[in-house]
Order: sequence, then C-alpha cells, then structure tokens
Amino acid sequence: GQSLEQPSEVTAVEGAIVQINCTYQTSGFYGLSWYQQHDGGAPTFLSYNALDGLEETGRFSSFLSRSDSYGYLLLQELQMKDSASYFCAVPAPLGGYNKLIFGAGTRLAVHP
Amino acid sequence: DGGITQSPKYLFRKEGQNVTLSCEQNLNHDAMYWYRQDPGQGLRLIYYSQIVNDFQKGDIAEGYSVSREKKESFPLTVTSAQKNPTAFYLCASSIFSGRTGELFFGEGSRLTVL
Repeated sequence: GQSLEQPSEVTAVEGAIVQINCTYQTSGFYGLSWYQQHDGGAPTFLSYNALDGLEETGRFSSFLSRSDSYGYLLLQELQMKDSASYFCAVPAPLGGYNKLIFGAGTRLAVHP
Repeated sequence: DGGITQSPKYLFRKEGQNVTLSCEQNLNHDAMYWYRQDPGQGLRLIYYSQIVNDFQKGDIAEGYSVSREKKESFPLTVTSAQKNPTAFYLCASSIFSGRTGELFFGEGSRLTVL
C-alpha cells in the first residue's frame, strides 16, 4: 500500500522561511506532488517532482530524494496569505496516471 | 474560462435520503475523480473514471455511486447506506495520459446530514 507522513502543524512568522517535510512508502514510485488548500477552498496544485533535486517556482521550492523516500516543500519570504494547509501526494501505482494518494496535510500558520 | 463546477456548494440532508452532487468540467479532461475530506484530514478517493462509461472504486466507495455518461460530467450520489456522510466533497479532473501529478479541483460541496 501507500502511506505518506507529514507534520500536522507548522508555525512561522512573516518574512521567514519554512520547510514542510513529507516521507512516503509506496509499492511503486512515480513522483511527489504538493498542493495548497485554504480553509474551505479547493486544493490547488503547486509542484510535482519526478526526479531527485530541487525545483523552484517563485517563492516556493520543492525537493525530492527518491533514495530516502523523502521530499519537502520550502516556502520563502512568508506572507500572511500563505497560511493554509499543504498536502503531499503520490500517484497510485495502479489505476490511472494521476490517481493520487494524499497525506493528511500540514497546517501552516503565519504570524506577523 | 475553463474549470470544474461543483453544485450545490452547501447541502443539508436528513438521514435516510439519497443526495446527488454535480460535477461538470470544460477542460476536455478524460479522467475525473471524487474525493472526500473530513475536518483536519487529507483527501480520500471515493471513485474515479478514466473514460466515458467506465469508472472504478477508490478506497472508500461503500455507500456511494457514480455515473459517467458524458465526458464533461461525473455526478456522485451519496446513498442512505453511507454511514457517516457529513463531509466536504471534492471533484477533480486530469489529463489521461502521463503522470503529471496535477489534479484540477472544483470548489467543493459541503454535505451536512441532520
């Protein structure tokens, strides 16, 4: 089966940098996705890493180490609007290319 | 604008009633999904469909049913057999070929059973 672990909560101050970790166990691995969800809203796609290394998109970066079954989302220059839940997800090995299994989510609170 | 539309946004139902949640997309995506989200938890897959007239059970399909008669539409029925139906329901779509890790989500339907 598949399982993903991420911290339940993270707190940081405006302007700081925060890292949200995700470790996974899968029977077949194809990549790691990250999603952002504000309270009551729809999850929105942030990034997808299929290969090892760091990928940067503006203030957000995502890292993957397949040998360690580990990835993280790095948020820089934190803003109040970054307060949200962040989910890591992996494609299930069977049943469709983008059938995703999600972690329980990390709630990020950004304080002034 | 292309996107996914879910309706209704809020729905109240009495125990023992079936309800149907609508999901329509104009992204021309082949694959569609229904997820359930409970407070403070991640998303769990209920059903998914990769092509018209075909769908598969996800991890928590008991008490739910779906149909996929048109590419654009993937309605979810929450039946009276679902023991704990109060939740936030999210519909999503994606391209069919290639693992992009990207799902496009609707704004969700919040179902409350009274």
